[in-house]
Amino acid sequence: GAVVSQHPSWVICKSGTSVKIECRSLDFQATTMFWYRQFPKQSLMLMATSNEGSKATYEQGVEKDKFLINHASLTLSTLTVTSAHPEDSSFYICSATRTSGPTDTQYFGPGTRLTVL
Amino acid sequence: DAKTTQPNSMESNEEEPVHLPCNHSTISGTDYIHWYRQLPSQGPEYVIHGLTSNVNNRMASLAIAEDRKSSTLILHRATLRDAAVYYCILEMNSGGSNYKLTFGKGTLLTVNP
Repeated sequence: GAVVSQHPSWVICKSGTSVKIECRSLDFQATTMFWYRQFPKQSLMLMATSNEGSKATYEQGVEKDKFLINHASLTLSTLTVTSAHPEDSSFYICSATRTSGPTDTQYFGPGTRLTVL
Repeated sequence: DAKTTQPNSMESNEEEPVHLPCNHSTISGTDYIHWYRQLPSQGPEYVIHGLTSNVNNRMASLAIAEDRKSSTLILHRATLRDAAVYYCILEMNSGGSNYKLTFGKGTLLTVNP
């Protein structure tokens, strides 16, 4: 199988601080990684798409200076929520694909629950 | 963007088949139909995908209408572990060689013992 891990699984931080979430593909090389956000009782919303070694492509309405994405290797992508505020509290989920074609399965991580006080 | 329409919720009994419908009347010829499911407080899990022909795998079957405007995910024998939100998604080209999934609200499947 293809396993994607996220760290941490949950984090609580104070308003104004920055939080980094890691997403790793454990047994495959991920050409493309995706970051989603999910609020309670709602569906997943794609935040950005990142290809290894390239700048991330952000969805409309997602602030790239607030949600910094780094995809420095084929097995690791990080999402940093800068100057977090209570409204950023959410479930953040990453996914990874081996390549970037239309039939490639996205393998999802278990998610990171962020609570900003 | 091509969208999908699914019932908000469905209920099934354990050991019985479940047919989860999805309408995608604005699908284009190159859009693949993907199904993912999400258990509570977990990341989604791939179930199956197809383009034109019906597909089977160890988890489920996907029946695609001849005009491709609808599809049905079939769980042959529902178990309690199949209780989840099921998402029917058309994978869209997001530019260049990247494809993305746009999640709708999905169908919450409840499985009764």
